[in-house]
Amino acid sequence: GENVEQHPSTLSVQEGDSAVIKCTYSDSASNYFPWYKQELGKGPQLIIDIRSNVGEKKDQRIAVTLNKTAKHFSLHITETQPEDSAVYFCAASSSSASKIIFGSGTRLSIRP
Amino acid sequence: NAGVTQTPKFRVLKTGQSMTLLCAQDMNHEYMYWYRQDPGMGLRLIHYSVGEGTTAKGEVPDGYNVSRLKKQNFLLGLESAAPSQTSVYFCASGSTRVNTEAFFGQGTRLTVV
Repeated sequence: GENVEQHPSTLSVQEGDSAVIKCTYSDSASNYFPWYKQELGKGPQLIIDIRSNVGEKKDQRIAVTLNKTAKHFSLHITETQPEDSAVYFCAASSSSASKIIFGSGTRLSIRP
Repeated sequence: NAGVTQTPKFRVLKTGQSMTLLCAQDMNHEYMYWYRQDPGMGLRLIHYSVGEGTTAKGEVPDGYNVSRLKKQNFLLGLESAAPSQTSVYFCASGSTRVNTEAFFGQGTRLTVV
C-alpha cells in the first residue's frame, strides 16, 4: 500500500527565514498531494495542494514542488511569521485508492 | 454551517469497556474517514467509507468497527477498549471526487486506563 515519509520531524527557524519540509511517497499511482496545517487543539486544515500534472504551485508565502520521477514533494514557506508555528502534514492519494495517506508530521517553530 | 462535528470531545474509558464515537457532516460529502493521531506517527487511517452503507479498512483497523447507515454520519466503535487505543481520533469528510480537500473535525481525545 501507499507509504508517505516526511522529514524533518521538528524544525526551528528564525522569524523571516524560510522553512522547507520534504516528503516521499511509494505508490507511483498517487496523483494528488495535499499539505495540511494543524494548530494546537484543532483538526488539520488544507493549506495548499498539488496534482501530478504540475511541478510547482504557489500561494503567497507558501509553495509546493513535485518531482514525480523521484517521488518527492516539498513545502516551502518564505518570510516565516509567528503564526506559521504549527504541525504540518503532507499526504498522498490516488484516484483509484479512495483514501488519503498522511506523513508523520513536522512540528515547525518560529523563533522571534 | 457546522462542517464536521465529532462527539464526544474527551472520554476516559476503563480497559474492556466499549464506546462509540460519532462523526456528523453537513456538507453532503460522500467520503468519510476515521484517523488516529499519535505522537511521532502522524495521522493513521483506521477505516473509511466511500458512500452510505459502505465501509473499508484502512492502515490500522484492528480493534475498531465502523458503520455508515446514514450519509451524514460515520460511527467508530471500540468493542473492548485497550490502553493501546489511547489516542486522539479525527474524523474527516470529502466530496464525491477523490483528490479534493478533506475537512476535519476537532478531534476526540480518548484515554484508556
